Amino acid sequence: ILNVEQSPQSLHVQEGDSTNFTCSFPSSNFYALHWYRWETAKSPEALFVMTLNGDEKKKGRISATLNTKEGYSYLYIKGSQPEDSATYLCALRGGSGGSNYKLTFGKGTLLTVNP
Amino acid sequence: DTGVSQNPRHKITKRGQNVTFRCDPISEHNRLYWYRQTLGQGPEFLTYFQNEAQLEKSRLLSDRFSAERPKGSFSTLEIQRTEQGDSAMYLCASSPQGRNTEAFFGQGTRLTVV
Repeated sequence: ILNVEQSPQSLHVQEGDSTNFTCSFPSSNFYALHWYRWETAKSPEALFVMTLNGDEKKKGRISATLNTKEGYSYLYIKGSQPEDSATYLCALRGGSGGSNYKLTFGKGTLLTVNP
Repeated sequence: DTGVSQNPRHKITKRGQNVTFRCDPISEHNRLYWYRQTLGQGPEFLTYFQNEAQLEKSRLLSDRFSAERPKGSFSTLEIQRTEQGDSAMYLCASSPQGRNTEAFFGQGTRLTVV
């Protein structure tokens, strides 16, 4: 069973603070790592897909890195805004001999940005 | 295209009743997935279709659950004889063929079994 861990479980920050979350996983043998943002009453929104060790992706104030050798990915948000409040989900596609289409999710990090 | 569409958005049903949910994927996507999210957990894989063929079913799917994708377009997920433990958010996603493609999710159907 593939175990994807996310920390912290929840986080409260003030507007303007920068923050980061962690996704850790036991195996480096997987097809891709995905980050999603899920706002209440909306669809999970794809942020990044990363495949290679050392990958760094950026979208506006949000960026992510991937370290497959040590089994973790970081998601960074620079200058948090209230609209960044959401659950951030990490998911591994494949891994431990799994199929190349199935996502295994962590439990997510719930971010609340206070104005 | 407006993305992945799921109906209904919310469903409250009495224990023992049958329910059916519908998912309309992005039109050019041949892969379709169902996931379930319960309180405090991340989404968990239920089943996968490539076109009309159901290629994988999770052990989470008891025999009370059935999913179809006739003609490789929309999909339905039916739960028979619902139980309180079936209460969850049911998410549908679709993706095009390819190794590193993203899955696009619908807004989900929130099922409450009372």
